[in-house]
Amino acid sequence: DADVTQTPRNRITKTGKRIMLECSQTKGHDRMYWYRQDPGLGLRLIYYSFDVKDINKGEISDGYSVSRQAQAKFSLSLESAIPNQTALYFCATSESGLTYGYTFGSGTRLTVV
Amino acid sequence: GENVEQHPSTLSVQEGDSAVIKCTYSDSASNYFPWYKQELGKRPQLIIDIRSNVGEKKDQRIAVTLNKTAKHFSLHITETQPEDSAVYFCAADNYGQNFVFGPGTRLSVLP
Repeated sequence: DADVTQTPRNRITKTGKRIMLECSQTKGHDRMYWYRQDPGLGLRLIYYSFDVKDINKGEISDGYSVSRQAQAKFSLSLESAIPNQTALYFCATSESGLTYGYTFGSGTRLTVV
Repeated sequence: GENVEQHPSTLSVQEGDSAVIKCTYSDSASNYFPWYKQELGKRPQLIIDIRSNVGEKKDQRIAVTLNKTAKHFSLHITETQPEDSAVYFCAADNYGQNFVFGPGTRLSVLP
């Protein structure tokens, strides 16, 4: 079945380390998004991309960067991880125009110690 | 930009009772309002949505209502069952670019 896959599922890293979270999809969607989830704060948008040459900042992009390597791949990097970046990270995809909402990946639980 | 508020943050109901979750949004340009259910340890899944040209939509035990004038929309779950226990998120589109989510409601259905 067409899906959205995130790797790794869980990761513990040390403060100051660089880490990359990866997302790939087989849904054929053009749009890809990165959100972080924190208890009581819901899902907040980090970055989004409408195609390989299009990258847009979201609400909370500071401390993060992204790369859209192909239509199907969208990676999120933490250049120098800090403890308050400990969160659950979700990748999502959608058709153009947000016609039918998002399909979320399975999530990456990141802990920065 | 768009801002979405959601209430209550937690909700406990007896099995068989109804549950209502309410959301408000700030930008009258928003046109599409999906609801997601997230079970423990799983990804959010779309359960129902509504567009601005519709006032109500039903799908079996769940329904969503939209009041564009007041800029609020609500999720209604009837005859609740234990498997309805989850976190529910409302969302509003942000000029068709992305979704802004509410902070979530943790629903517990007590047997």
